[in-house]
Amino acid sequence: EVQLVESGGGLVQPGGSLRLSCAASGFTFSVFAMHWVRQAPGKGLEFLSSILGDGRTTQYANSVKGRFTISRDNSKNTLYLQMGSLRGEDMAVYYCARDLDIFGYAFEIWGQGTLVTVSS
Amino acid sequence: QSALTQPASVSGSPGQSITISCTGGSSDIGGHNHVSWYQQHPGKAPKLIIHGVNNRPSGVSNRFSGSKSGNTASLTLSGLQADDEADYYCCSWTNSYIYVFGTGTKVTVL
Repeated sequence: EVQLVESGGGLVQPGGSLRLSCAASGFTFSVFAMHWVRQAPGKGLEFLSSILGDGRTTQYANSVKGRFTISRDNSKNTLYLQMGSLRGEDMAVYYCARDLDIFGYAFEIWGQGTLVTVSS
Repeated sequence: QSALTQPASVSGSPGQSITISCTGGSSDIGGHNHVSWYQQHPGKAPKLIIHGVNNRPSGVSNRFSGSKSGNTASLTLSGLQADDEADYYCCSWTNSYIYVFGTGTKVTVL
C-alpha cells in the first residue's frame, strides 16, 4: 500500500525550530518528486516546497524561503522539512505529498498531516 | 504569488450539476496546462481528483470533469451526491517554478 506518514509536529515557541519527517512506503521513493503543503486552522491549502527525486533541485514559496529547508534521504525513504524562525502564522497542519510522476505537476498521494502549533 | 480566485461557496441539489471556477493569470493557469483539483472532506487530507486540466486519476468518478479557458479553469461535478459535500481547491504550476492553490470552494448539497 502506498503510504505517507508525517511526524515531528508539536508545540514550539515563536522564533524556534522544528523538523518534520515524512516516511514513505509502498513505492520507489527515489523516483518521485515530493512536496510540503500546509493548512492553517480554518484556512485553505498553501504550497510550501518541492524537491526532485535526486534531492538536488528544490523550490520554495516566498513565505518560507530562507526559513524552511526541504530535504530527503532516499536510503531511508524519508522526506524532511526543517523549519526555523517560526512565527504565529506558521501554525498549521503540515502535509507531505507525493507527486503524480517524476514531476507530474500534481499531488497524488497525501499523508495524514502533522499539526504545528507556534505559541509562547 | 497570490492565491487563485475561487467562489467561497457553491450549492446544488442531488442529481444536479455545479461548476466551480478558478481564476488566475498568464503566469499560472493561462501559461500552461498544469492545473489540478483537490477534494477535501472535513478533518481529512486532500484528494487529487483532476490533473493536467482534465485528466482523472484511476478510481476517481467520471462525474468530475475539468476544463480551462484562458486564465480560468473550471471543475464540473455532475449528478451531485451527498458525499460530494466538501471543500474543493484548484492548483496551478507557475512561471516561478512553484505551485499556487486556489482560495477554496465549499460545496453544499441541498
